[in-house]
Amino acid sequence: DAGVIQSPRHEVTEMGQEVTLRCKPISGHNSLFWYRQTMMRGLELLIYFNNNVPIDDSGMPEDRFSAKMPNASFSTLKIQPSEPRDSAVYFCASSLGGVGTPYEQYFGPGTRLTVT
Amino acid sequence: KNQVEQSPQSLIILEGKNCTLQCNYTVSPFSNLRWYKQDTGRGPVSLTIMTFSENTKSNGRYTATLDADTKQSSLHITASQLSDSASYICVVSGGDSSYKLIFGSGTRLLVRP
Repeated sequence: DAGVIQSPRHEVTEMGQEVTLRCKPISGHNSLFWYRQTMMRGLELLIYFNNNVPIDDSGMPEDRFSAKMPNASFSTLKIQPSEPRDSAVYFCASSLGGVGTPYEQYFGPGTRLTVT
Repeated sequence: KNQVEQSPQSLIILEGKNCTLQCNYTVSPFSNLRWYKQDTGRGPVSLTIMTFSENTKSNGRYTATLDADTKQSSLHITASQLSDSASYICVVSGGDSSYKLIFGSGTRLLVRP
């Protein structure tokens, strides 16, 4: 299996621009997570999907962030407009399980976002 | 407040030596505890997962212990190798949502030749 695939691996953009991060989970997994990692705050859960449905988006920082999962094999995290404080590494992870079943989460390689 | 604390923040050891990393947590209710290894520029990779009833689990040269009474865990690395240089993150699942992972800040390990 190819594992969780994320694109792009690196993104540099100017403040105010729209940024779209992409994720392809492991085939057969039904749970998908978006995380953000910074030096100051470590790893934080942004949003959790189960069977393509957003279950918990309480970690999404503000309305500038949105996430979609149109089908079982694709998800996007969009930031519009981007700000310098959004600079971080964004990870996508997937697992096999439902709400209340803490299965192993497999992380992608991450997207390093720099907003200037 | 649900928290996971790790010590030390960083550690330098010589190749071939053993080391032990510590993790204390205040997550309730507790579901499971995981240790992840994160190489620079990569995503975290799971080393071990332990539930309440397990007090030790091994994965090659990595051995994790769990004391659910004192809410402490440790990760012991035996005969360290240069490739063990990475951040090791203690993660606890539980709290108000079993799918939520509560991450420690990690221990950065450097193995020198």
